[in-house]
Amino acid sequence: AQTVTQSQPEMSVQEAETVTLSCTYDTSESNYYLFWYKQPPSRQMILVIRQEAYKQQNATENRFSVNFQKAAKSFSLKISDSQLGDTAMYFCAFMTSNAGKSTFGDGTTLTVKP
Amino acid sequence: DAGVIQSPRHEVTEMGQEVTLRCKPISGHNSLFWYRQTMMRGLELLIYFNNNVPIDDSGMPEDRFSAKMPNASFSTLKIQPSEPRDSAVYFCASSVTGGWTEAFFGQGTRLTVV
Repeated sequence: AQTVTQSQPEMSVQEAETVTLSCTYDTSESNYYLFWYKQPPSRQMILVIRQEAYKQQNATENRFSVNFQKAAKSFSLKISDSQLGDTAMYFCAFMTSNAGKSTFGDGTTLTVKP
Repeated sequence: DAGVIQSPRHEVTEMGQEVTLRCKPISGHNSLFWYRQTMMRGLELLIYFNNNVPIDDSGMPEDRFSAKMPNASFSTLKIQPSEPRDSAVYFCASSVTGGWTEAFFGQGTRLTVV
């Protein structure tokens, strides 16, 4: 069974600064996918970024980037130039390549302060 | 595509009543998931269908909960009888099994049992 751990229940950052959210996971699979989702107060789950485990290059989407350490089973999310609209709960998720079933962490509530 | 469509958006019911939540997945997606989100437990996977067949229902809390997927374009989650502790936001999500895609979430149904 896969597990996903987000060790930071809450974090805050000043607007325009950089913040990193941590995520670790446990699996015996060799090929899988990792995701970060954002859930703003509207409660809609929005995909932020995704990473294929066989790719060594870290994924980047505008101000969002990941630090994927496969050997350490770590998948952190870095948000640069934080904006007020980034205030949300962030979930790390894991999906095996053949099953389609995602396992989610407990989430990190991020508050961006003006 | 309109995305994953859930109905109703909000439901208020009295304890003991039957509640049915509905979900229309994205066309072409063959995996469907029902999640429950609460402050106490976070995001919990209740049941997972693949090609309309229930694959993993280990997250269904008790016999009062049941889910069906009669065809590829429709699924229901039923609670009978409902209890106040069932109050939560229920999400439906769909994805493509074996494909490089994340789970796409619906807007969720906020259920309040009084």
